[in-house]
Amino acid sequence: SQQGEEDPQALSIQEGENATMNCSYKTSINNLQWYRQNSGRGLVHLILIRSNEREKHSGRLRVTLDTSKKSSSLLITASRAADTASYFCATAPGPSYDKVIFGPGTSLSVIP
Amino acid sequence: EADIYQTPRYLVIGTGKKITLECSQTMGHDKMYWYQQDPGMELHLIHYSYGVNSTEKGDLSSESTVSRIRTEHFPLTLESARPSHTSQYLCASSPRIADTQYFGPGTRLTVL
Repeated sequence: SQQGEEDPQALSIQEGENATMNCSYKTSINNLQWYRQNSGRGLVHLILIRSNEREKHSGRLRVTLDTSKKSSSLLITASRAADTASYFCATAPGPSYDKVIFGPGTSLSVIP
Repeated sequence: EADIYQTPRYLVIGTGKKITLECSQTMGHDKMYWYQQDPGMELHLIHYSYGVNSTEKGDLSSESTVSRIRTEHFPLTLESARPSHTSQYLCASSPRIADTQYFGPGTRLTVL
């Protein structure tokens, strides 16, 4: 079983709409990260939220973290066609907190 | 744009060949990682290094080997390539354990 799993697996929206992706994990964490991957490319880091933080913003991105529910969400507001990509959450689970494990990702398509 | 480079970007080779995938970073990061990713799937950690002369196997069994003779360089070698090695290989570096990772553009390997 995986440490982190994104939901939904795939999401298709119209340009201008908001996109919400969720990530659930199983064990305690020190931080949770979100990454974006355009087709055939490497991953790009978006946001890191620490376990003592509840919400973080970066431009059109908003990340929340609920450690009691072991879940996080990534909200992209006013989506653009250029946001089309796969989005991965990544956690460093306890007890050692030394390795980052990536979830299977959510594939987002933004239709112009 | 992260200062981490991978060569080649694409490689098509025959079964049984020995290959080395190059990864270099200019950020002075001690932590470096190799991931294997099939199209549309999650990343699997195959090797990592926390500094010069330090290498460890990751969570996914791999027939590849790595070396870390210089901080900036983390090459991955396949002694005898097989069709099952066909995949995308992503290299990443990080300033600290379980912190933000900076990814290279990847090497897409096809073994015929």
